Amino acid sequence: GQQLNQSPQSMFIREGEDVSMNCTSSSIFNTWLWYKQDPGEGPVLLIALYKAGELTSNGRLTAQFGITRKDSFLNISASIPSDVGIYFCAGPQWYGGSQGNLIFGKGTKLSVKP
Amino acid sequence: EAQVTQNPRYLITVTGKKLTVTCSQNMNHEYMSWYRQDPGLGLRQIYYSMNVEVTDKGDVPEGYKVSRKEKRNFPLILESPSPNQTSLYFCASSLVAGPGNTQYFGPGTRLTVL
Repeated sequence: GQQLNQSPQSMFIREGEDVSMNCTSSSIFNTWLWYKQDPGEGPVLLIALYKAGELTSNGRLTAQFGITRKDSFLNISASIPSDVGIYFCAGPQWYGGSQGNLIFGKGTKLSVKP
Repeated sequence: EAQVTQNPRYLITVTGKKLTVTCSQNMNHEYMSWYRQDPGLGLRQIYYSMNVEVTDKGDVPEGYKVSRKEKRNFPLILESPSPNQTSLYFCASSLVAGPGNTQYFGPGTRLTVL
């Protein structure tokens, strides 16, 4: 089946720094989703992308739907301590016309630089 | 308050003892889904439901059953749990089928099978 590869797997942030992460696939996706998971909680949707080339912002977060439709990027500007957590990309698989099956990348874990 | 609830939040059981994890949403959502989260593997979809009486397999359905007899509830059933089903389980729902719709996640159920 389709797979989503996220990088980096983990990274440390210092307050005020910009952060970038990406998600790639060998298959084309028609929708890209970015979620954040805080410790002990379920994931929360941050940004949804529906069109190749689309650039969408949500506060300090900006995500882009890659032109090839095989990748997506998430940037966080001027990071703050509450940005720590795990960020997941996700997209729908298609089985016989059904797009209910959602697959997730393995996540990028953001931690505070000691 | 709009929410997805799961019960129990924590469960320790033994191999072969049937169990049910309940999931309920109060938002009149059509789409509901179950995921398991394991270290290094991210979130993987077990089953999903587009609407009442409509369920489909996700990526890892083996060993699980679901039912959707009414809109608000989507229980996950493990007929004969095994240790490899030890995991963190999340239920999610969205207004309609279609991953771009905001999926609301429950708080998670941590299951240990001895």
